[in-house]
Amino acid sequence: DARVTQTPRHKVTEMGQEVTMRCQPILGHNTVFWYRQTMMQGLELLAYFRNRAPLDDSGMPKDRFSAEMPDATLATLKIQPSEPRDSAVYFCASGLQGGKGTQYFGPGTRLTVL
Amino acid sequence: QQQVKQSPQSLIVQKGGIPIINCAYENTAFDYFPWYQQFPGKGPALLIAIRPDVSEKKEGRFTISFNKSAKQFSLHIMDSQPGDSATYFCAASKTGANNLFFGTGTRLTVIP
Repeated sequence: DARVTQTPRHKVTEMGQEVTMRCQPILGHNTVFWYRQTMMQGLELLAYFRNRAPLDDSGMPKDRFSAEMPDATLATLKIQPSEPRDSAVYFCASGLQGGKGTQYFGPGTRLTVL
Repeated sequence: QQQVKQSPQSLIVQKGGIPIINCAYENTAFDYFPWYQQFPGKGPALLIAIRPDVSEKKEGRFTISFNKSAKQFSLHIMDSQPGDSATYFCAASKTGANNLFFGTGTRLTVIP
């Protein structure tokens, strides 16, 4: 049963601390997306990768957020330093370029910055 | 600018009712229109999708109606059940682009 996995599922941290979220896309998928979900803003696309190369990170605050794909089985989203306004659920999704366009979402990381 | 506009924000129906969620888009290059369903504490999951070469697609109790000239599409849930209570997102993209533009979501509550 192929699925996207994300760790940690929950993270509580203090303002100013570094936060790293990890995602393992579905094996064979070549596109990876990072989303942030809040009650106020809904689902926001932060960044996405194709074949491990960043294609679009315009939705991401560049001064504190960074996204990478060290290899095809791992995507990371890092926030440094974290702020209370970063509190949200962060989703990773993966898909297959040239496929139907379906994105498969992970269970999310719920981040709380105190 | 919101590429896909979704309404209503929330919806409450009685069991057996037919909730309808509407979405509109501007970009005529969009050619893939999926709906995602999200339960609390879970990630969104693909529910049903349509391409503009058909005006309607049905899968079980879920139907998408698509109006290309009006640039609108909607989700109908027949014989709704309490288990359908979730947040529903419409989305749109163009072939090859892969990135989806999501609507703001509709929280549906089906009362037993």
